[in-house]
Amino acid sequence: GENVEQHPSTLSVQEGDSAVIKCTYSDSASNYFPWYKQELGKGPQLIIDIRSNVGEKKDQRIAVTLNKTAKHFSLHITETQPEDSAVYFCAAIGSQAGTALIFGKGTTLSVSS
Amino acid sequence: GAVVSQHPSWVICKSGTSVKIECRSLDFQATTMFWYRQFPKQSLMLMATSNEGSKATYEQGVEKDKFLINHASLTLSTLTVTSAHPEDSSFYICSGGGRTDTQYFGPGTRLTVL
Repeated sequence: GENVEQHPSTLSVQEGDSAVIKCTYSDSASNYFPWYKQELGKGPQLIIDIRSNVGEKKDQRIAVTLNKTAKHFSLHITETQPEDSAVYFCAAIGSQAGTALIFGKGTTLSVSS
Repeated sequence: GAVVSQHPSWVICKSGTSVKIECRSLDFQATTMFWYRQFPKQSLMLMATSNEGSKATYEQGVEKDKFLINHASLTLSTLTVTSAHPEDSSFYICSGGGRTDTQYFGPGTRLTVL
């Protein structure tokens, strides 16, 4: 089955700096890769996703890149702000609707002002 | 994005009692719903997958007689923790998926068993 590894487990940056979180996956059949942000005591919130027919996707300060050959994908946050502080999870899934997401272990991002 | 609600948001119960958690998709039909539990500072652990009108599929190690899941309609799934014990205390989160692979998560339910 699918296995998703996520690094780093913690990341501390200064406000305004960029943050990069990387994930690798094992199943070459996976073709959907979402990223979730989870604040303390809340459910995960989908912030961006990418499908395997695209190499990069951007939404304002957030971007995701995908390298299918190497089976890794990354989340890039530019101009970080204190409100970006949260736990970020990457996930992977096959193409069939109704299949459960496989999550990475999460990255705790701390943005200090 | 689509909205998923959960009720209650937190619950405290005595050991041995049963607790029901509701998960609703408010603006889409969730053909499939997933239930996760999350311990502090850990990732989400899939408990079961439920499809509307059929029995839930449980992950290995999850007791189906203890965690009863019902998905009676395309907008409602319930998780009942039967005979709850302190070790069942956790953060329970549901997610809903429609016809695509995108999944939206509820806000979670904090269960504390005394």
